[in-house]
Amino acid sequence: QQQVRQSPQSLTVWEGGTTVLTCSYEDSTFNYFPWYQQFPGEGPALLISILSVSDKKEDGRFTTFFNKREKKLSLHIIDSQPGDSATYFCAASAGGNYKPTFGKGTSLVVHP
Amino acid sequence: NSKVIQTPRYLVKGQGQKAKMRCIPEKGHPVVFWYQQNKNNEFKFLINFQNQEVLQQIDMTEKRFSAECPSNSPCSLEIQSSEAGDSALYLCASSLSMGNQDTQYFGPGTRLLVL
Repeated sequence: QQQVRQSPQSLTVWEGGTTVLTCSYEDSTFNYFPWYQQFPGEGPALLISILSVSDKKEDGRFTTFFNKREKKLSLHIIDSQPGDSATYFCAASAGGNYKPTFGKGTSLVVHP
Repeated sequence: NSKVIQTPRYLVKGQGQKAKMRCIPEKGHPVVFWYQQNKNNEFKFLINFQNQEVLQQIDMTEKRFSAECPSNSPCSLEIQSSEAGDSALYLCASSLSMGNQDTQYFGPGTRLLVL
């Protein structure tokens, strides 16, 4: 059973465009949602995260939105750059359960 | 940038052979996680430790996989008898505490190929 669904599987955007990645989840006990960025040959790195008590968090060009009622979250990247080309994973975890559940990732390519 | 060190970066084993990989967590991080990331990018949690104690582990880990985090030595994950299906990227991550909201810092991984 896949508890965190991520879409699209892959995405290509032009430099300067806006990238939108989405995730949905099923477990209503999830309360923390990090997004990770992974470059080839490297491990994932935390990009931005949001708690279920918030509906938006912004960090520079990266913004994550959270909709508790619909059990959905999204990652928006404005002014996308070729250096943003990577695989992005959303994850979810519940308090008291230390291990997050990851989505299958979105492979993003930003063309100059 | 993460300072989690994983060795070796690449590991090639035959079926039935032992495969051992090591992880040095970030300094001061008592919590260590091991994940398996397969070719479809799916993450599978294997085991986690706080200091030298196992907190959680999955059934697969209990059978052919063994892991430890001895004091003053690198953590290790060992597959006793490798199978083709074990071919994957093995990621180690460390964090400051057990809270689910604490950032996990990942190493670059050990890519295991079982022939």
